[in-house]
Amino acid sequence: EIVLTQSPATLSLSPGERATLSCRASQSISSYLAWYQQKPGQSPRLLIYDASNRATGIPARFSGSGSGTDFTLTISSLEPEDFAVYYCQQRSNWPPWTFGQGTKVEIK
Amino acid sequence: QVQLVESGGGVVQPGRSLRLSCAASGFNFSSYAMHWVRQAPGKGLEWVAVIASDGNYNADSVNGRFTISRDNSKNTLYLHMNSPRVEDTAVYYCARDWNSDFDYWGQGTLVTVSS
Repeated sequence: EIVLTQSPATLSLSPGERATLSCRASQSISSYLAWYQQKPGQSPRLLIYDASNRATGIPARFSGSGSGTDFTLTISSLEPEDFAVYYCQQRSNWPPWTFGQGTKVEIK
Repeated sequence: QVQLVESGGGVVQPGRSLRLSCAASGFNFSSYAMHWVRQAPGKGLEWVAVIASDGNYNADSVNGRFTISRDNSKNTLYLHMNSPRVEDTAVYYCARDWNSDFDYWGQGTLVTVSS
């Protein structure tokens, strides 16, 4: 089973700042990584697939990068609606599909 | 537009059974693999099961106890939960498979396993 480790657990930033979230895989997963956003009381929303492709309707301030074992989600300038929990997920080797434990982006 | 609506959650005693449903609309349901993903209170996401054209798969944590099925004539996905345990308490989401990612999610249904 591929383990995904996200860091940091919590990121405290102000609106307008840049957010950089990390996801590390326990073995190479090529570019088969997705990112999801989850707000309190809501279901997750697909943001990024295949490491760097934005899903339909996702603003350009969200970008993803990386391959192999190290991946990054960047939010270039935080909007108030971006404060949420972010999860990475791999589809390289399934089953099982696995998720990281999440990074909470909170308002500083 | 794509809609996934879960139902069937509630309080269930350990060892009893429960069936969750997910009603799909807005897309050709039979053409897509479908998943169940759960989230324990205050915790992260955990994949539970998938039903696909090449077979069904379960997470080890539910293998032998939960069964995923679908009725394409009713555009409905199911999760049959047999012998649930306290640790199965979670919000259960159905999600559509898109290139082995999850592109649409339902709003979730809460299952509480408690005596």
